[in-house]
Amino acid sequence: EAQVTQNPRYLITVTGKKLTVTCSQNMNHEYMSWYRQDPGLGLRQIYYSMNVEVTDKGDVPEGYKVSRKEKRNFPLILESPSPNQTSLYFCASSLWGPNTGELFFGEGSRLTVL
Amino acid sequence: KNQVEQSPQSLIILEGKNCTLQCNYTVSPFSNLRWYKQDTGRGPVSLTIMTFSENTKSNGRYTATLDADTKQSSLHITASQLSDSASYICVVSATGGGNKLTFGTGTQLKVEL
Repeated sequence: EAQVTQNPRYLITVTGKKLTVTCSQNMNHEYMSWYRQDPGLGLRQIYYSMNVEVTDKGDVPEGYKVSRKEKRNFPLILESPSPNQTSLYFCASSLWGPNTGELFFGEGSRLTVL
Repeated sequence: KNQVEQSPQSLIILEGKNCTLQCNYTVSPFSNLRWYKQDTGRGPVSLTIMTFSENTKSNGRYTATLDADTKQSSLHITASQLSDSASYICVVSATGGGNKLTFGTGTQLKVEL
């Protein structure tokens, strides 16, 4: 089954404790992206990647890192989480890019930073 | 600044009734417009994608329209079902622009018996 898989789905952590949210897709997509969703706001892009070893900042990259060492994986790293990073996070992928094809989303990772 | 505005913010309808959700955008230059359905606690799922030349696109009981001149789109849901209760998100893509999408904040639809 074609899918985007995120882990963990739910996480409660404390300020400053490094964490990684994994994202994996099995569709051989070139493009992958991370978004955060907060109440009253639309989905906001954190980082995206057009291909292996190619990443770029989205609209709200501060406090986040990503890497794309393999085509299928695009982990989101929070080096020193803070309470304002409490949010619902979505990973998404597309064959070539969001302008040219359907964007498939994962099920989301709900992160709480205390 | 590229923006997408959706209305209403929330809507409650009775099962079996029709409804129409609105999306106005200022994204330029326009590439395509998408409607997504997002169930509570789940990831968004694509309903339709429309390019500049498409006026109407249907997906089962969902019909999206696009007026590129007025920069407006609507999503019409026919014969609503309880399972239609969800947030509906309008997303607009600009050509070029670093492959970024502009997301609306969504319309929260609740279908009741």
